[in-house]
Amino acid sequence: DGGITQSPKYLFRKEGQNVTLSCEQNLNHDAMYWYRQDPGQGLRLIYYSQIVNDFQKGDIAEGYSVSREKKESFPLTVTSAQKNPTAFYLCASTLQDLTGYTFGSGTRLTVV
Amino acid sequence: AQSVTQPDIHITVSEGASLELRCNYSYGATPYLFWYVQSPGQGLQLLLKYFSGDTLVQGIKGFEAEFKRSQSSFNLRKPSVHWSDAAEYFCAAELSGGYQKVTFGTGTKLQVIP
Repeated sequence: DGGITQSPKYLFRKEGQNVTLSCEQNLNHDAMYWYRQDPGQGLRLIYYSQIVNDFQKGDIAEGYSVSREKKESFPLTVTSAQKNPTAFYLCASTLQDLTGYTFGSGTRLTVV
Repeated sequence: AQSVTQPDIHITVSEGASLELRCNYSYGATPYLFWYVQSPGQGLQLLLKYFSGDTLVQGIKGFEAEFKRSQSSFNLRKPSVHWSDAAEYFCAAELSGGYQKVTFGTGTKLQVIP
């Protein structure tokens, strides 16, 4: 079955360390997105990519980086520059025809 | 600025009762509209979407939503709630514009009591 796989489900990071969250899809979707979810704030867009080797900043890109070397993969790196990285991170993808997003099951990152 | 508002943070309904979750949008033009549901610790699942045409949209799990242009609203409804409907619900809006930037509301958490 097609879908989006995010790994790991839970991640713990020490302050000052970079960490990479994985997102893989086998839906042949063109566009992929990273959102951050905090209680009471809904979903906020971090980065998005419409095609391979191209991506754009979202509303809260500071302290994050991404790459899109393959259509199926869109990893997110949370760098030490992100001041408050503890959150639930969601990856999503869609075809370019506004059919709505397919979401992964998320990664909960905790800074310890 | 474009925005999506869900005025109810938390709603409690009895099992078997009807449900209506409110959503209002503020856009210069009519956006595409979506409702998603999220179970605890999980990703979001698309319930239904409105692009154009019939203003009453049917979705999965017995949900429906009505688009009202005059009120800039897209409220989600269900005639009879089941305990398994307890979750958080997000309204979202998107203007066609090439890069498909979606704005999400802050969510409404639904509690279902016996």
